Amino acid sequence: DQQVKQNSPSLSVQEGRISILNCDYTNSMFDYFLWYKKYPAEGPTFLISISSIKDKNEDGRFTVFLNKSAKHLSLHIVPSQPGDSAVYFCAATSNTGNQFYFGTGTSLTVIP
Amino acid sequence: DAGITQSPRHKVTETGTPVTLRCHQTENHRYMYWYRQDPGHGLRLIHYSYGVKDTDKGEVSDGYSVSRSKTEDFLLTLESATSSQTSVYFCAISDQGYTIYFGEGSWLTVV
Repeated sequence: DQQVKQNSPSLSVQEGRISILNCDYTNSMFDYFLWYKKYPAEGPTFLISISSIKDKNEDGRFTVFLNKSAKHLSLHIVPSQPGDSAVYFCAATSNTGNQFYFGTGTSLTVIP
Repeated sequence: DAGITQSPRHKVTETGTPVTLRCHQTENHRYMYWYRQDPGHGLRLIHYSYGVKDTDKGEVSDGYSVSRSKTEDFLLTLESATSSQTSVYFCAISDQGYTIYFGEGSWLTVV
């Protein structure tokens, strides 16, 4: 069973607008969440993370929101830029183990 | 960028042959991982290591084995490659277990 789910395989957004990528998880033991960005033919790169003790973390144009009661997190990109076009993976882990569980990814296209 | 080197970066092999992928890190991180990426499946953990000679299975470990004889090296072996193992393989490392960093990937085609 997929413990981390990204239900939107793709998303298209106009340049300058907001991109919202969503992620759901099922394991209540997860206490740390991450977002990765992946360009074709490259490895995923770390983007931003959030601990379960917070509900928001911001880094420049990127903000991650965590709703623990709904087991849901989202990544907001404002304003979106063409260079943001990539596949975004969300991931989760817990301090009881050192496994990272990934979603299936959302392909973001920012249209100039 | 994390100091992770994967080799080979690209390989074509025949069904039934053994294949070894190597991951080398220069960060002295404790944890090392092998993931595979497939369309519709995202990144799935094959095996991971939490120290020299300490390894454990991930969610898709069948058909794969690993070894870690030195902190910096983590080998992934396909004992007898099958077409279902055609994939992109990513090595990753983690120090304290809260952020994971990936290598550039190894593209494997089994014909």
